Amino acid sequence: GEDVEQSLFLSVREGDSSVINCTYTDSSSTYLYWYKQEPGAGLQLLTYIFSNMDMKQDQRLTVLLNKKDKHLSLRIADTQTGDSAIYFCAETSNTGNQFYFGTGTSLTVIP
Amino acid sequence: GAVVSQHPSWVICKSGTSVKIECRSLDFQATTMFWYRQFPKQSLMLMATSNEGSKATYEQGVEKDKFLINHASLTLSTLTVTSAHPEDSSFYICSATPRGRETQYFGPGTRLLVL
Repeated sequence: GEDVEQSLFLSVREGDSSVINCTYTDSSSTYLYWYKQEPGAGLQLLTYIFSNMDMKQDQRLTVLLNKKDKHLSLRIADTQTGDSAIYFCAETSNTGNQFYFGTGTSLTVIP
Repeated sequence: GAVVSQHPSWVICKSGTSVKIECRSLDFQATTMFWYRQFPKQSLMLMATSNEGSKATYEQGVEKDKFLINHASLTLSTLTVTSAHPEDSSFYICSATPRGRETQYFGPGTRLLVL
């Protein structure tokens, strides 16, 4: 399958911005997603970006896509303690038949 | 490590029949397993959360009598689609959380086509 990679851990101070990075290998990726997993819960979709877009902003969340480098990032502005969770990036190919998930980045927000 | 398998990888069945999908954690014990459904060209939708030895917790709008979930052991959860209809055709994916950890590992998915 395709490789989707993320760093495992990130710590930030409350009020700072968080940037979570993701790289992928599938050049035919169509949609790229960011999910949030809170302790003991399933995935919740945060946002997604279509591959022909460079940026998408939704309130405190900004997604940047560098298709040439196959690099996706999620920026959380004014990070709060409630943002502490594991964040997964995922991508689907043009057919949409398979999801490929990263290993998840555990974000810890320090008060 | 941390491999999750699903069986079958794809299945075609007639309308009205029941289909069982297995999700196994191959090299770890999973206290919690999640079942998701993916509609064509849409995101994954969480269907239910399954804890070993207890009843599954279903998300709002998911019929528990239609999608039967059994978490029989720490390495196996099954999803049975009862009396399947063409609108149940979808991609079903499970994930498993190892004991004592928060992250989850995803299976490769099962493609169901109901004729």
